[in-house]
Amino acid sequence: AQTVTQSQPEMSVQEAETVTLSCTYDTSESDYYLFWYKQPPSRQMILVIRQEAYKQQNATENRFSVNFQKAAKSFSLKISDSQLGDAAMYFCAYQGPQGAQKLVFGQGTRLTINP
Amino acid sequence: NAGVTQTPKFRVLKTGQSMTLLCAQDMNHEYMYWYRQDPGMGLRLIHYSVGEGTTAKGEVPDGYNVSRLKKQNFLLGLESAAPSQTSVYFCASSYPRAGENTEAFFGQGTRLTVV
Repeated sequence: AQTVTQSQPEMSVQEAETVTLSCTYDTSESDYYLFWYKQPPSRQMILVIRQEAYKQQNATENRFSVNFQKAAKSFSLKISDSQLGDAAMYFCAYQGPQGAQKLVFGQGTRLTINP
Repeated sequence: NAGVTQTPKFRVLKTGQSMTLLCAQDMNHEYMYWYRQDPGMGLRLIHYSVGEGTTAKGEVPDGYNVSRLKKQNFLLGLESAAPSQTSVYFCASSYPRAGENTEAFFGQGTRLTVV
């Protein structure tokens, strides 16, 4: 079974600085999808960024980018120019290549932004 | 756009009581899911459905039942609530495309406390 591990329960960063959240996963598949979700205090799950495993280029979305290392099964999220609104729980998630598109989530990292 | 709507948002149950959580989506999605979120464990899949009239077990199905009588609705039932079922429950839906995975859309969550 696939597993996703986030080894940093909590992280903090100064406003305007850069922070990197770590995620590792285990799978025997060659094609799959990886996601980072943000969960603010409102509880809403918000998709931040998505990476297809067959793509070598790292995904970017404005201030958010990933470092996808397929051989190492690592998928870290970098947030540049951190803003107060970035404070939230962040979840890394894995999705297999076909079938029911079920998501396997990591344990989450709580990110605090210090003004 | 309503998206994915969960009812109720909060509920307190006594041990042994039963209840049903309702999930409704207006995006004509084929796939629907129920997850539970517990501190330090991320989100875990309870049950899912790949179409009207079909359901399947996820990672943590014990103590729960589901039904998908209509494409837009996915019900999660607790027949005899236990304190271990105290959690935040999320419904999600997605639309499958051949050869491509799609984003899952989440409801706002239901906080359930069993006393």
